[in-house]
Amino acid sequence: GNSVTQMEGPVTLSEEAFLTINCTYTATGYPSLFWYVQYPGEGLQLLLKATKADDKGSNKGFEATYRKETTSFHLEKGSVQVSDSAVYFCALSTSYGNNRLAFGKGNQVVVIP
Amino acid sequence: DSGVTQTPKHLITATGQRVTLRCSPRSGDLSVYWYQQSLDQGLQFLIQYYNGEERAKGNILERFSAQQFPDLHSELNLSSLELGDSALYFCASSPRDAGGYGYTFGSGTRLTVV
Repeated sequence: GNSVTQMEGPVTLSEEAFLTINCTYTATGYPSLFWYVQYPGEGLQLLLKATKADDKGSNKGFEATYRKETTSFHLEKGSVQVSDSAVYFCALSTSYGNNRLAFGKGNQVVVIP
Repeated sequence: DSGVTQTPKHLITATGQRVTLRCSPRSGDLSVYWYQQSLDQGLQFLIQYYNGEERAKGNILERFSAQQFPDLHSELNLSSLELGDSALYFCASSPRDAGGYGYTFGSGTRLTVV
């Protein structure tokens, strides 16, 4: 079945540091890949997406490239701000079956001033 | 405002009780999805409806049920509540084919069972 694996544990880093959150997936067919962000006390918001291999999704300084050969969709940002503190979820969806999104467990990111 | 409306925002109830959570999808979206978010289980898919019909079931307990009405709003019914049902319940909506669109989430209902 479809599944998403995110790196274990929270991520704590200083303001202006480089952020990487790893995401790998297992899927039938050709999935679309997403990153969602959840700020404290809020629902999930779509951050970026990529629908085919080698696509790069980008938004608010965040980027992720759909790598079919390594089945990965790692999230990166070159210089984080305190306001980027949130939980980040990687997710995938395929055109097969019921189209529901499968989420990773999420990573808490804490940016320290 | 994402366009997906969930009510109530907070709910506190006792064990053994029954509650109903409501979701209005974003205008034009035909699919509604329910997710449960807890600290230990993460985001768990519960159930999906498309245009009034059940399309997929995930890790939904038999004590839970849902439906989607002709106006496309959806309700999630939780009965015989247990302490372990305390969680955030999210509703999301999407156009029919979510493969390339992703979901739009509501802000959730926080359920506390005491």
